Amino acid sequence: AQSVAQPEDQVNVAEGNPLTVKCTYSVSGNPYLFWYVQYPNRGLQFLLKYITGDNLVKGSYGFEAEFNKSQTSFHLKKPSALVSDSALYFCAVRDRAAGNKLTFGGGTRVLVKP
Amino acid sequence: KAGVTQTPRYLIKTRGQQVTLSCSPISGHRSVSWYQQTPGQGLQFLFEYFSETQRNKGNFPGRFSGRQFSNSRSEMNVSTLELGDSALYLCASSLEAGVNLNTEAFFGQGTRLTVV
Repeated sequence: AQSVAQPEDQVNVAEGNPLTVKCTYSVSGNPYLFWYVQYPNRGLQFLLKYITGDNLVKGSYGFEAEFNKSQTSFHLKKPSALVSDSALYFCAVRDRAAGNKLTFGGGTRVLVKP
Repeated sequence: KAGVTQTPRYLIKTRGQQVTLSCSPISGHRSVSWYQQTPGQGLQFLFEYFSETQRNKGNFPGRFSGRQFSNSRSEMNVSTLELGDSALYLCASSLEAGVNLNTEAFFGQGTRLTVV
């Protein structure tokens, strides 16, 4: 069975500092990995995905993520955080054995302080 | 291009009642999935429909059901509501199902269901 872990419930960072949100995964085959962001009272917005190819994936709003197969990780990063990046971030995985189902991590709340 | 539309946005029901939630996917998307989001359990997969057929089902009781129409619109129904069914129900649409796993899912804003 596929699973995703986000070890940090909350990440606090000062505006302008680098932001990292951690994610590790477990799947039976090749992983399809996604990051989503959720603002209060809203649905999930797609940020980026890793399917194959370059381990560094660039996405929306200046976010990027690094896929590391040996560590089964897919950490989300942003070089310089903004106050507006404060939100709930979800890592998700999909593998062929589970069809189109997305399995989400528990979410990490990011708080960017001015 | 219009996004995923879920109606209603908010709903208050009494224990024992039933409820129907609606989801209109992005035009051209034939795969619709439903997720339940609660503070305690996080985001959990309910089921997925593709071309009017349920392709995948999560670990929820039979009180939770769904269907998809020929225009890809989907509804989910919860019967005999319990307090624990209070949650944000999210619908997601994708271009394909099962074949192109690299396509991202686009989510609606959700329906906030409160059971009292």
